Amino acid sequence: ETGVTQTPRHLVMGMTNKKSLKCEQHLGHNAMYWYKQSAKKPLELMFVYNFKEQTENNSVPSRFSPECPNSSHLFLHLHTLQPEDSALYLCASSQDSGYGQPQHFGDGTRLSIL
Amino acid sequence: DQQVKQNSPSLSVQEGRISILNCDYTNSMFDYFLWYKKYPAEGPTFLISISSIKDKNEDGRFTVFLNKSAKHLSLHIVPSQPGDSAVYFCAASANDYKLSFGAGTTVTVRA
Repeated sequence: ETGVTQTPRHLVMGMTNKKSLKCEQHLGHNAMYWYKQSAKKPLELMFVYNFKEQTENNSVPSRFSPECPNSSHLFLHLHTLQPEDSALYLCASSQDSGYGQPQHFGDGTRLSIL
Repeated sequence: DQQVKQNSPSLSVQEGRISILNCDYTNSMFDYFLWYKKYPAEGPTFLISISSIKDKNEDGRFTVFLNKSAKHLSLHIVPSQPGDSAVYFCAASANDYKLSFGAGTTVTVRA
């Protein structure tokens, strides 16, 4: 059983829709991450929050908007996405964003853009 | 530019034998390395890690070896079990939280 829960597990949306992905961690961690995994490609870091403050935006298009209201919750708001945004979106957490901290992942949201 | 490479996309091994997964990296600043395991429809699970001050770390059936001069690390699983069938990702960081991942190696353990 994972300590990081992501909802929904699957999402199909049109390019004009607005939806949100949710992540919740039950591990008492202070850092949370969003990753994107496209088919046959390595995981790509999108955003990092440490103690609720965004510390990394890895050149992500503005149609992806993260929100971290507290250390346990992380959202990814989606609007006017493109077909190439279809991918597996993974949330992760770690004790903090320091060196040598293994990141613990949720099971991901499989996103399909029509 | 992929800094962490897993050149073998798949590996098939007999149950009870050793599985050896390889990973190469190009960034000499990497100093912390991790292996993750992923089952279908689940997120990656942390398996084992090693810092650059060591050349070996062992945890039960899993051992990670680091060769800094060759910029190479490997994961040994012995003995391999059917439950080890999964995708294994190598990851590395350079003194911070940013992990660079390899593309993964799919391991199939044959009964």
